[in-house]
Amino acid sequence: NAGVTQTPKFQVLKTGQSMTLQCAQDMNHEYMSWYRQDPGMGLRLIHYSVGAGITDQGEVPNGYNVSRSTTEDFPLRLLSAAPSQTSVYFCASSYFGGGGADTQYFGPGTRLTVL
Amino acid sequence: GDSVTQMEGPVTLSEEAFLTINCTYTATGYPSLFWYVQYPGEGLQLLLKATKADDKGSNKGFEATYRKETTSFHLEKGSVQVSDSAVYFCALSPSNTGGFKTIFGAGTRLFVKA
Repeated sequence: NAGVTQTPKFQVLKTGQSMTLQCAQDMNHEYMSWYRQDPGMGLRLIHYSVGAGITDQGEVPNGYNVSRSTTEDFPLRLLSAAPSQTSVYFCASSYFGGGGADTQYFGPGTRLTVL
Repeated sequence: GDSVTQMEGPVTLSEEAFLTINCTYTATGYPSLFWYVQYPGEGLQLLLKATKADDKGSNKGFEATYRKETTSFHLEKGSVQVSDSAVYFCALSPSNTGGFKTIFGAGTRLFVKA
């Protein structure tokens, strides 16, 4: 099992550019989430999905779009990058029910810089 | 709404010292409580968890007890090692939500000196 994978590992964008952060998991988890990590603020939830075709907004959704066409993949799109979106982005997956329920499994992160 | 508050860092200790990182929470219902650890350049990984009041989670010498009466979940380790240097996050998952709405504290950075 590769677990949760994210690409790219690093990215530099100019203001106004768009891009997609990729996330995939091979654990057949129903739930997937995107977080951003900023110094002193912990992780904040951007968007989440409870299954293929179902997504919803988290705490800080503005400027980001998501879709979930398969159980495995959950890409995050930046529509028009802004310097305020400079952050480290983490994708996570989890499942409901059983002894390991509620635990989130994280990818290695994407460090994004917007100039 | 639900929230998690943990002590600010950084915390600097000498090897073999005792570690406590305080965490308190606000939540309705009966959330699950977690400690995650993040090593440099990596994603977060589960350190330990507790799913109901008075449960004790433990792993790698770390322990935390779910205290509903004080709404706390303090992390402790009797003797830290240099390899424990990392950022530690306290977190809660509202009951019966499958983890996708996990709320994290701000994180506490731990430095352990040899």
